[in-house]
Amino acid sequence: DVKVTQSSRYLVKRTGEKVFLECVQDMDHENMFWYRQDPGLGLRLIYFSYDVKMKEKGDIPEGYSVSREKKERFSLILESASTNQTSMYLCASSSGGSAASEQYFGPGTRLTVT
Amino acid sequence: GQNIDQPTEMTATEGAIVQINCTYQTSGFNGLFWYQQHAGEAPTFLSYNVLDGLEEKGRFSSFLSRSKGYSYLLLKELQMKDSASYLCAPRGSSASKIIFGSGTRLSIRP
Repeated sequence: DVKVTQSSRYLVKRTGEKVFLECVQDMDHENMFWYRQDPGLGLRLIYFSYDVKMKEKGDIPEGYSVSREKKERFSLILESASTNQTSMYLCASSSGGSAASEQYFGPGTRLTVT
Repeated sequence: GQNIDQPTEMTATEGAIVQINCTYQTSGFNGLFWYQQHAGEAPTFLSYNVLDGLEEKGRFSSFLSRSKGYSYLLLKELQMKDSASYLCAPRGSSASKIIFGSGTRLSIRP
C-alpha cells in the first residue's frame, strides 16, 4: 500500500519562527511536491523536486525553501513564519517520466501562525 | 496563461447522476486528472484522460475533448459518501507538474 506521511497533522507557531514541515514517501518516487490549500484558491504549488538535491519553484515560492537530501524525504521550510502562511500544507509524490503518473498525497499539515 | 474553470458547488440526490464540468487553458497539455477530496482529508486519484473520449471506471466516468479544452466527470448511482470536492487537474507542458482547479463541492441529499 502506497504511503506518504507528514510529520504533523496540526502545528501552531508564532510569527517569526522557523518552521520545518517534513514529508516521507515509501514508493521510491522521483517526484515530490509541496502545495498549500486555502478556501477558494484550491491547491497551489510551492516547490517541487524531481530528483535528490534538485528543486524547482512552483507558483508561490516566496517565503519558503525546500530541501531534498534523500529520495524519500522532502522538507518545506518557512524561514520566518508569517500569519499569511496559515494554511493547509499538502505533500505529494509521483513516479518520474512522461507517462501517466498520478500524485499520491499525504494527510496534510494544518499550520496556524499566530 | 493557465486557467481552470469548474463550478464552485453542486447538489444532487442520492441514486441520481451528476456531471461536473471543467474547462481549462494550459501551456501545453499532457493529460488531465480528476481527484476526489473529502473534507479535512487529502485528495485521492479518480481518473486520468490523455486522449479524447470517455474513460469508464465503475460508477465514475471521465470525458476529455482536447480541442475544446473541456472535460467532465460523471458520477452515477450517487451515494452519500460521494459528498466531497472534485478537483479537475490538467497537466501542462512539464511532464511532472499538475495544475489543480479550485474544485467543485458536491453535496448529496437523501
